[in-house]
Amino acid sequence: GAVVSQHPSWVICKSGTSVKIECRSLDFQATTMFWYRQFPKQSLMLMATSNEGSKATYEQGVEKDKFLINHASLTLSTLTVTSAHPEDSSFYICSASRARSVTGELFFGEGSRLTVL
Amino acid sequence: AQKITQTQPGMFVQEKEAVTLDCTYDTSDPSYGLFWYKQPSSGEMIFLIYQGSYDQQNATEGRYSLNFQKARKSANLVISASQLGDSAMYFCAMREGLEDKFYFGSGTKLNVKP
Repeated sequence: GAVVSQHPSWVICKSGTSVKIECRSLDFQATTMFWYRQFPKQSLMLMATSNEGSKATYEQGVEKDKFLINHASLTLSTLTVTSAHPEDSSFYICSASRARSVTGELFFGEGSRLTVL
Repeated sequence: AQKITQTQPGMFVQEKEAVTLDCTYDTSDPSYGLFWYKQPSSGEMIFLIYQGSYDQQNATEGRYSLNFQKARKSANLVISASQLGDSAMYFCAMREGLEDKFYFGSGTKLNVKP
C-alpha cells in the first residue's frame, strides 16, 4: 500500500529556534500534500495545502511566514516552524493522496510531536 | 455549518460486542466521498473504510461496515466483534467533488472493555 513517512517523530526545541519537519511519499508521487495540526483530544485542523512546484495554499488564520511550506519534489514536502514558541507545541501530521486511487483516501504520515520549551 | 458532525465524544463497548459510531455530514455537492480513520494513541491515522456518494451498497471492510443513509446524510461506522485493539479515536471525514480538501469531524474516543 501507499506509505507516507514523516520525520522527526518527536522534536523538542528552545523558544526562538526553527524546526523543520519532512513528509515523504515513499512509493508514489504526490503533487499535493496536506499539513494538519492537532491539539490534544481534538480533531485535525488543516493548515495548508502543499503543491509541488508552487506556493502553498494556507487556510484562514494560519500564518504563512510562521509555518513555511516547501514542496520541492513530487515526493517531499517540508514544514518549517520558524521562531517557535511554546504555543506552537502541537502534533503536526502530513498527508497525501495518490493519483488514480479509486477512493482517493488520504495517506498519513506518522505525525511529528513538537514541544517548544 | 459544520461539514462533518460526530456527536459522541466518547463511547464504551464490551469486548466482542458491536458498536456504532455516528457521523452526519452536510454538503450540497452530489458527488462526495466519506471516510473513516482510526487514530490510536501513537498518533498515526489509519484509513478504515470509504463510501462514495453514488455507491448503491454499504461499504464493508472486514469487521468494519458503513451504514450509509444518504437521505439522512449519515455515515455511521459499525465495528463488529470489538477487540481491545480497537480502542482509539475514530474520525469521520468527507471529500467533496473534485476537491482535494478533506473535512474531519471532532472524533469519537472508543474504549473497548475486557
